[in-house]
Amino acid sequence: DVKVTQSSRYLVKRTGEKVFLECVQDMDHENMFWYRQDPGLGLRLIYFSYDVKMKEKGDIPEGYSVSREKKERFSLILESASTNQTSMYLCASITGPGQPPYEQYFGPGTRLTVT
Amino acid sequence: KNEVEQSPQNLTAQEGEFITINCSYSVGISALHWLQQHPGGGIVSLFMLSSGKKKHGRLIATINIQEKHSSLHITASHPRDSAVYICAAHVSGGYNKLIFGAGTRLAVHP
Repeated sequence: DVKVTQSSRYLVKRTGEKVFLECVQDMDHENMFWYRQDPGLGLRLIYFSYDVKMKEKGDIPEGYSVSREKKERFSLILESASTNQTSMYLCASITGPGQPPYEQYFGPGTRLTVT
Repeated sequence: KNEVEQSPQNLTAQEGEFITINCSYSVGISALHWLQQHPGGGIVSLFMLSSGKKKHGRLIATINIQEKHSSLHITASHPRDSAVYICAAHVSGGYNKLIFGAGTRLAVHP
């Protein structure tokens, strides 16, 4: 059974703090994603990684960075948290490469509140 | 216009009713996903479709590639089906990018 785990379910941080969100998958997937989910906006892609040390910006990368030093771990970093980054953050990993289509597996989510 | 549109946005049903959620997309896809998210919970993949129809228990998903449309049906709905249902288009080529619909919030009352 594929497992995608996230370091925290709930997190409260102050404006200006540096925040690390960790995601680990145990299925040797090459592709990993960070999304944020906001009411009425659905899931939006922040960053994704298709290999160790490789990363690509998604649709809303501003204010975020990522790190992928090991295949199983993909970290999302908020360099200086702001209140508009209060959101639910979801990590996902995906089968592939190889022939599509690919199955996507989600972590449980981290609800981040920035005060 | 969003590349993946879902309807309706909200849906209320009585237990036992047949439910349909629709998804239209405007991009080329290799697959379409239907996902389920319970309140406070993570997201679970229900179906991944590239053609035709799939069934799992009371859930049925169909896709019409020519019309760029997919539907999720729930037969004999139950309160435990209450959740947000999300369709996501797996974009052809590129780096396995998914484009998500905004979700349909379903509430099934006893």
